[in-house]
Amino acid sequence: DIQMTQSPSSLSASVGDRVTITCRASQTISSYLNWYQHIPGKAPNLLIHGASSLQSGVPSRFSGSASGTQFTLTISSLQPEDFASYYCQQSYSPPYTFGQGTKLEIK
Amino acid sequence: EMQLLESGGGLVQPGGSLRLSCVASGFTFSTFAMTWIRQAPGKGLEWVSVISGSGGNRYYVDSVRGRFIISRDNSKNTLYLQMNSLRAEDTAVYYCAKDRGTNTDSFDYWGQGTLVTVSS
Repeated sequence: DIQMTQSPSSLSASVGDRVTITCRASQTISSYLNWYQHIPGKAPNLLIHGASSLQSGVPSRFSGSASGTQFTLTISSLQPEDFASYYCQQSYSPPYTFGQGTKLEIK
Repeated sequence: EMQLLESGGGLVQPGGSLRLSCVASGFTFSTFAMTWIRQAPGKGLEWVSVISGSGGNRYYVDSVRGRFIISRDNSKNTLYLQMNSLRAEDTAVYYCAKDRGTNTDSFDYWGQGTLVTVSS
């Protein structure tokens, strides 16, 4: 199975900050990497698919990039509604594993 | 508007069974693969199982293979997860999710989840 290692596990930041979350795959997954936002009590929300493609309706302050087996989610300027948990997920081969998540908290 | 509505969760004893359902609306259900994903209390998301649009292909995470069965009834726009031999570690909120496109295995719509608690 492909292991997805996400870092950091938690992060404190302020409104307006630029934030980066990293996900590393245990083997090559090409660009089959997706990012989700999850607010407790709500359904998770797809942000980025194919490593860098912004899902329709998602604000442009969210972006994704890739370098080999390392993937990055960047939020350019944090907004109050962005404080949530974020997960990467590989869609290269089943089981389509998630990273362990990053909890983004208000500083 | 696309919607997914899960049901069937509840409290069950270890070794027991439960069947989850997910009713879809607002899209051509048979066109899309569907997936079950769970989140145990205080833990992250865990991919559980996927079924293709036709129902002909299914995959499972190792921890549930042989105990859980994913199925679908395209005439009823409904996805199922039959869960047998339940264990305490199966306790979680279970979400159904729709594939974003043709077998992309990324998920653009999710239900609100149904809670399964395995406890004596």
